Amino acid sequence: GQQLNQSPQSMFIQEGEDVSMNCTSSSIFNTWLWYKQDPGEGPVLLIALYKAGELTSNGRLTAQFGITRKDSFLNISASIPSDVGIYFCAGLSYNTDKLIFGTGTRLQVFP
Amino acid sequence: DADVTQTPRNRITKTGKRIMLECSQTKGHDRMYWYRQDPGLGLRLIYYSFDVKDINKGEISDGYSVSRQAQAKFSLSLESAIPNQTALYFCATSDFAGNIQYFGAGTRLSVL
Repeated sequence: GQQLNQSPQSMFIQEGEDVSMNCTSSSIFNTWLWYKQDPGEGPVLLIALYKAGELTSNGRLTAQFGITRKDSFLNISASIPSDVGIYFCAGLSYNTDKLIFGTGTRLQVFP
Repeated sequence: DADVTQTPRNRITKTGKRIMLECSQTKGHDRMYWYRQDPGLGLRLIYYSFDVKDINKGEISDGYSVSRQAQAKFSLSLESAIPNQTALYFCATSDFAGNIQYFGAGTRLSVL
């Protein structure tokens, strides 16, 4: 089945550092979503993007809908220990009603 | 209380056993989904339902079946569990637009 290419697979950073991750697809999407999954929990929506070029923030998190509609980026500024978890991108295309998920970026933050 | 509730949270079973995972939601959404999560593979869609009379296979439906008992309830069954079905299973719901899905806390299933 189709999946998005999400990178990096994992990141080990020090508290206070900024983080960047991205997703790319061979297909055009009309919606991009970013989720975070805490250990032992289900994914929780962080940011939703609906227009090419859109830049949206949620606290220290900023996400962008790529101009080509085939990619999206998530940045976390000044990371803190509670940012630890798995971050997933997800895309919804014009011709399907199903979300396609990325393989996830596992983030570890050290004090 | 959680909007999307999965039971049980953890289950250990033996090869060949039939088991059912249950999902209920209080969000009033028509659309419900079952996903499987394996390390390094993200979330893969097993089955989805857009209303009570609508059931659709996802990308990995073999070995699974579902039942949409009501708008608020969507259960996943493993007719004869096998070890490679050991995984984390998530239920999700969305409104008619389907853009944003809301997830339950997951069921961790181990098949011995």
